[in-house]
Amino acid sequence: KQEVTQIPAALSVPEGENLVLNCSFTDSAIYNLQWFRQDPGKGLTSLLLIQSSQREQTSGRLNASLDKSSGRSTLYIAASQPGDSATYLCALLPVETSGSRLTFGEGTQLTVNP
Amino acid sequence: GAGVSQTPSNKVTEKGKYVELRCDPISGHTALYWYRQSLGQGPEFLIYFQGTGAADDSGLPNDRFFAVRPEGSVSTLKIQRTERGDSAVYLCASSLTTDNEQFFGPGTRLTVL
Repeated sequence: KQEVTQIPAALSVPEGENLVLNCSFTDSAIYNLQWFRQDPGKGLTSLLLIQSSQREQTSGRLNASLDKSSGRSTLYIAASQPGDSATYLCALLPVETSGSRLTFGEGTQLTVNP
Repeated sequence: GAGVSQTPSNKVTEKGKYVELRCDPISGHTALYWYRQSLGQGPEFLIYFQGTGAADDSGLPNDRFFAVRPEGSVSTLKIQRTERGDSAVYLCASSLTTDNEQFFGPGTRLTVL
């Protein structure tokens, strides 16, 4: 069974810092990996999607990488801003469930202090 | 364009009551998913539809939970004889087809007193 772990559970940084959020998974047989952002009391906003054949995706100040051989993905946020404060979730679409359901980590709660 | 919408945004009910939660997916998306998120946890899969049929309902916790999508668009998640442990945020997502990027709605926060 696929397990997804996100470290750290919480992170607090001063504005302007570059930071990395980590996601690890136990089964490399995946279709794709998505990073989401969740604001308090809100739904999930998709940030980046990496297909199984890809190594990374970039959108603005965000860069996500995928290394299936080591079972890891990272989300890099450049020049962090207070508006980046939210919970960040990674989720996998495993092959074992015929590409249907996402398996989520528990998230990293990010606080960017002005 | 319109994203995934869910109604109601909040629902408070008493133990033992019946509730219905509604999801309107993005127009043209054939796949629709329901997840449940408890406080401090990541969402957990409940059920997904491909068109009108439930392609995988293995995440439903017990037979008090049921979902339909009669016309292949709007879906309703139905919970009978609600229990306090059912309190959570219920999230709906849709995708163009399976294996594609999933887009989530704002969720329905269910509180069972």
